[in-house]
Amino acid sequence: QKEVEQNSGPLSVPEGAIASLNCTYSDRGSQSFFWYRQYSGKSPELIMFIYSNGDKEDGRFTAQLNKASQYVSLLIRDSQPSDSATYLCAVTMEYGNKLVFGAGTILRVKS
Amino acid sequence: EAGVAQSPRYKIIEKRQSVAFWCNPISGHATLYWYQQILGQGPKLLIQFQNNGVVDDSQLPKDRFSAERLKGVDSTLKIQPAKLEDSAVYLCASSLYGATQYFGPGTRLTVL
Repeated sequence: QKEVEQNSGPLSVPEGAIASLNCTYSDRGSQSFFWYRQYSGKSPELIMFIYSNGDKEDGRFTAQLNKASQYVSLLIRDSQPSDSATYLCAVTMEYGNKLVFGAGTILRVKS
Repeated sequence: EAGVAQSPRYKIIEKRQSVAFWCNPISGHATLYWYQQILGQGPKLLIQFQNNGVVDDSQLPKDRFSAERLKGVDSTLKIQPAKLEDSAVYLCASSLYGATQYFGPGTRLTVL
């Protein structure tokens, strides 16, 4: 079983719609959860992090965490073509600050 | 605030040659990470430094890869000898505290 799993996509949404990206993880002891955006040919860029169960909002982005279900998601409201990228979910393992990344979900926003 | 700096940005070498990558973290960030990202995959941690000490190098292929961070600031990652499967982007990241990491632009390595 992979430690962090994401649907590879591509996920296609029309401009202005809500994009929902999902991630599951295997380590019940994981404490911190991160979403990174990676444009083609570029390095990962931190979007959000979340530590506690529930929702965390930052502008058009909302991260949702459910530790009981070992599930974290990222919602992007009012999606724009500039949001088209690969979204990487990263999770700390039970010990230390080591981040384990999923393979990413490709998002395509069509105008 | 300047971000994480890496050089070179691109490198093409023949298999069995050696190569070195350099990283300068964000000023004041004590923790430095090297990742390998193969096309279509997420970044994989190779080595983590806390100041100039190694915290985790469990996934570093030590028969060919080495890394150092002598003065607790910048770092060098070396591959010797390179194999075809080492073709990837090598990412450096740094963090001030916790696991919140910021990435540099990466070095794209092609091994022919």
